[in-house]
Amino acid sequence: DQQVKQNSPSLSVQEGRISILNCDYTNSMFDYFLWYKKYPAEGPTFLISISSIKDKNEDGRFTVFLNKSAKHLSLHIVPSQPGDSAVYFCAARYTGTASKLTFGTGTRLQVTL
Amino acid sequence: EAGVAQSPRYKIIEKRQSVAFWCNPISGHATLYWYQQILGQGPKLLIQFQNNGVVDDSQLPKDRFSAERLKGVDSTLKIQPAKLEDSAVYLCASSPGQLNQPQHFGDGTRLSIL
Repeated sequence: DQQVKQNSPSLSVQEGRISILNCDYTNSMFDYFLWYKKYPAEGPTFLISISSIKDKNEDGRFTVFLNKSAKHLSLHIVPSQPGDSAVYFCAARYTGTASKLTFGTGTRLQVTL
Repeated sequence: EAGVAQSPRYKIIEKRQSVAFWCNPISGHATLYWYQQILGQGPKLLIQFQNNGVVDDSQLPKDRFSAERLKGVDSTLKIQPAKLEDSAVYLCASSPGQLNQPQHFGDGTRLSIL
């Protein structure tokens, strides 16, 4: 049972344009969401997070939007840069499970020149 | 700040052999996690420690996998005997332990079973 889903395995965007990565979840008890970025042969690196009491969180070029009614979140990268090319994982957690994270399957972003 | 250290980076063994992975978390981090990441999937939590106690090992195949965190710092994950389906990247992560603190990951150990 995949509780966190990233339905787009890959995405290609031109440098300077906006990248939008999507994530859906099924468990309404999730109350905290994170995005991780992963380069080949490296571990995931924390990027940005959002609590369920918010609908938007921004950090520089990265913005995460949360739509609780739709059980959907998205990561916007503006403007996209070649160094953003990586696999992006969405993860979710809910109170009562300590800090256990449930991860999606990832979306590979390629930013082209 | 030094990151999460893992060794070895790569390991190739034959099925039914045993293997062990080592993790040194970020200094001061109370919580340590072991994840299994199979190709094409997201990381899946195997076991979570708070200091040297187990918080969650519900997805650890206990008939073949074991883990310990002596003295609440370093941790080892062992597989004995290994099966073909254990081929994966094994990631260690740590966090300070407070609510909503992100986990920091090591670079993982890539295990191939022949």
